[in-house]
Amino acid sequence: AQSVTQPDIHITVSEGASLELRCNYSYGATPYLFWYVQSPGQGLQLLLKYFSGDTLVQGIKGFEAEFKRSQSSFNLRKPSVHWSDAAEYFCAARDAGNMLTFGGGTRLMVKP
Amino acid sequence: DAGVIQSPRHEVTEMGQEVTLRCKPISGHNSLFWYRQTMMRGLELLIYFNNNVPIDDSGMPEDRFSAKMPNASFSTLKIQPSEPRDSAVYFCASSPGTRAYEQYFGPGTRLTVT
Repeated sequence: AQSVTQPDIHITVSEGASLELRCNYSYGATPYLFWYVQSPGQGLQLLLKYFSGDTLVQGIKGFEAEFKRSQSSFNLRKPSVHWSDAAEYFCAARDAGNMLTFGGGTRLMVKP
Repeated sequence: DAGVIQSPRHEVTEMGQEVTLRCKPISGHNSLFWYRQTMMRGLELLIYFNNNVPIDDSGMPEDRFSAKMPNASFSTLKIQPSEPRDSAVYFCASSPGTRAYEQYFGPGTRLTVT
C-alpha cells in the first residue's frame, strides 16, 4: 500500500536559519507530490506540487522542494525561516485511487 | 477568487444533539471531500463526492454520520446524535475535474461536543 512518511514530528529552528523538512513516499509509478501548510486554527494551504519535469519546484512563501526518485524523497526547504512560518506541514502523494495520501505532519517551531 | 467556504467555523453542542456542517466548494470544482482532523488520528478522509455523487464513504465512522451534496455548490455533513468523541476539526476540500489529488481546503469547522 502506498504511504507517505514524515520522519520528524517536531522541528525547532531559529529565525533566519535554513529549514529542511523531510518526506519519503512509497509508490511504484511516477508520483504526484504535494506540500501543504496548516497555520494554527486554519485549513491546509497548498504550498507547492510536483507532477513531472524539473525536479526542483518553487512554491509560495519562499518555499521549494526537490524530488529525488533515487531516495523516494520530496523534501521541503526554505533558505531563511521567518517567525510566521511556524505551522504544521503536511506532505502528500497521489495514490493508486487518484486520491491523496497524507503524511503524519511535521510541526515547525521558530525561535526568535 | 473565493476559496472553499465552510460554516460554522466553531460549533459547541451537547451530547445527543444533531450537528450540521456546511461547505461550499470552489466554483467549477466537481470533486468534494470531507476530512476529520484530531490529535490522535491526524487527518482522516470521511467521504468523497464526484459530480455530486458519493464515490467513497468508507471513512465515515458509523451510521451517526451522513453527508449529502444536493448540488454542485453545496454539501453538508451531519452527525446525529453527536458524541464527545466526535469533537474534532472537520475540513471540506474541493478539486477540479479528474484531478482529485489536487485539493484545496476550507478553513475548517471546530466541533466541540460536551
